[in-house]
Formats: sequence, structure tokens, C-alpha cells
Amino acid sequence: SQKIEQNSEALNIQEGKTATLTCNYTNYSPAYLQWYRQDPGRGPVFLLLIRENEKEKRKERLKVTFDTTLKQSLFHITASQPADSATYLCALAYQTGANNLFFGTGTRLTVIP
Amino acid sequence: SQTIHQWPATLVQPVGSPLSLECTVEGTSNPNLYWYRQAAGRGLQLLFYSVGIGQISSEVPQNLSASRPQDRQFILSSKKLLLSDSGFYLCAWSRQGASQPQHFGDGTRLSIL
Repeated sequence: SQKIEQNSEALNIQEGKTATLTCNYTNYSPAYLQWYRQDPGRGPVFLLLIRENEKEKRKERLKVTFDTTLKQSLFHITASQPADSATYLCALAYQTGANNLFFGTGTRLTVIP
Repeated sequence: SQTIHQWPATLVQPVGSPLSLECTVEGTSNPNLYWYRQAAGRGLQLLFYSVGIGQISSEVPQNLSASRPQDRQFILSSKKLLLSDSGFYLCAWSRQGASQPQHFGDGTRLSIL
């Protein structure tokens, strides 16, 4: 079965620095890889989607890369702010069936002022 | 715009009691609907998904069931709750298609005593 690992449970970073979160998977590469943000006690919120034939996607201070050879996606937040503190989840989607997502366990990011 | 409502926000139930959690979506038609459970510090576990009225697929065998009596209404039920049913339950919707992101409600925190 597919195994999805996100680099660490928690990541602390100084305000203004770039946060880099890692999502590694085994087995088959997904057609799409998505990143979500989850605040405590709330549902996840969709941030970015990248397709298997795309190397990089950007949205404001966010950047996602997708390397199907390494079976890895990197999620970067540049010029990080305390408001970026949250748990970030990666999710894999395949073409078959309903668009079910397979979620990683998430990385809790804390941006220190 | 589309909105998703999930209630109640918190629920405390004794072991062996029944359960009914409701989720409704507004502003879209024929959505895919999902129920997830998130245990503390764990990833999202897909419980049920539905691609249409009366169509329910179960991902995990358990004492829970789901129903979709209307296009934009999704209900999670149990006849007899177990201690292991405690957790954070999330409802989500998406448009059809593997590339579509999922949009989550704010969840129900269920505690079984």
C-alpha cells in the first residue's frame, strides 16, 4: 500500500526565513499532489496542486516542487511569518476511481518571531 | 460561492449510544462527498465517500455507516459507539475529477466516555 512520509512532525523556524517541508511517498507516483494547511481544531484548507508533469508551482510566497524520480515533493514558504504557523499536509491523488486523496500525517510548522 | 456546514462542533457520548453527524454543502451540485477521521497526531483516514445520491463507498470496515439522502447532504451514523470511535471527524466535498481539491468543514470533535 502507499506510504506517505512528511519529514518531521514539527519544524521550528525563525521569522523571515524560508521554511521547507518534505513529502516522500513509496510505490506509484500520483497524477496530482496537493498541499493543505490545517489550523488547530479546524479542517484542512487547500493551498496548491501540482501535476506529475510539472516540476514547480508558485503562489505568492508558496512554492511546490515535484520530483517523480525521487518520489518527493518539497513545499517552501519564503519570508515566513508567525501567521504561517500551522500543520501542513501533503495529499496524493491518482487518476482512477473517485478523486480520493491519500494524506500524509503532516508537519507542524512554528514560525518564531 | 460554495460553503460546507458540519455539526455539531463537539459531542460527548457514552459508549453504546447512537451517533448522527450531519454535513451539508451549499453553492454547488453533484459534489463528491467524503467523511474522514483524524486521530490525535495522525493523518486523515478516509471512512466513506459518495459520488452521488444513495451511492456510498466504505474504505474502512467498522461500526460506522454513511448515507446520502440528498445531493448535498451527507450523514455519518452509528448504532452503538465504541471507545475507539473517539476522534475528530471531518466532512469534505469536491468537484468531480482527480485534479480537484477537497474543501473541508470545521469538523466534529467526538469524545466517547
